[in-house]
Amino acid sequence: AQTVTQSQPEMSVQEAETVTLSCTYDTSESDYYLFWYKQPPSRQMILVIRQEAYKQQNATENRFSVNFQKAAKSFSLKISDSQLGDAAMYFCAYRSATDSNYQLIWGAGTKLIIKP
Amino acid sequence: DAGVTQSPTHLIKTRGQQVTLRCSPKSGHDTVSWYQQALGQGPQFIFQYYEEEERQRGNFPDRFSGHQFPNYSSELNVNALLLGDSALYLCASSLEPSYNEQFFGPGTRLTVL
Repeated sequence: AQTVTQSQPEMSVQEAETVTLSCTYDTSESDYYLFWYKQPPSRQMILVIRQEAYKQQNATENRFSVNFQKAAKSFSLKISDSQLGDAAMYFCAYRSATDSNYQLIWGAGTKLIIKP
Repeated sequence: DAGVTQSPTHLIKTRGQQVTLRCSPKSGHDTVSWYQQALGQGPQFIFQYYEEEERQRGNFPDRFSGHQFPNYSSELNVNALLLGDSALYLCASSLEPSYNEQFFGPGTRLTVL
């Protein structure tokens, strides 16, 4: 069974600085997808960024980028120029690319605090 | 364009009771997934509905059941509520089961006393 581990329960960063959130996962599959979701106090999960395992290039979305290390099974999220609106819980999630297996498997989350 | 909506927002029940939670998917989406998120934890997959059938199920007991209607909206039913069922229940919709991006609703907070 696949598992996702986020070892940082809480991280804090100064506004405008850069922060990296860690995620490791365990799987025997070679093809899969990885995601970072943001959950603000409003509770609604918002997709931040996704990565296909077959792509070597790291995904980027504006101030958000990932460091995908397939051999190490590591998938960290870097947030540049942190803003107050980035404060939220961040969840790393895994999804198999196998047909008929569409569930997301989630880590426990990292609470990100932005200091003004 | 309305996103995923869920009702009710909050719900308080007592042990042994039954509860029904509702979800309307984003316009154009035909697949609905349900997740349980206990306090301080990541979500856990309950099941997914597509074409009015349960397509995949997570590790949840039969007390958890669901339904999908012809208009793609969905219900989650939980029977014989336990204290441990207290959680945020999230609904997510997607264009089809294999589609990569799931859009989430704001969730229903269920408290079991």
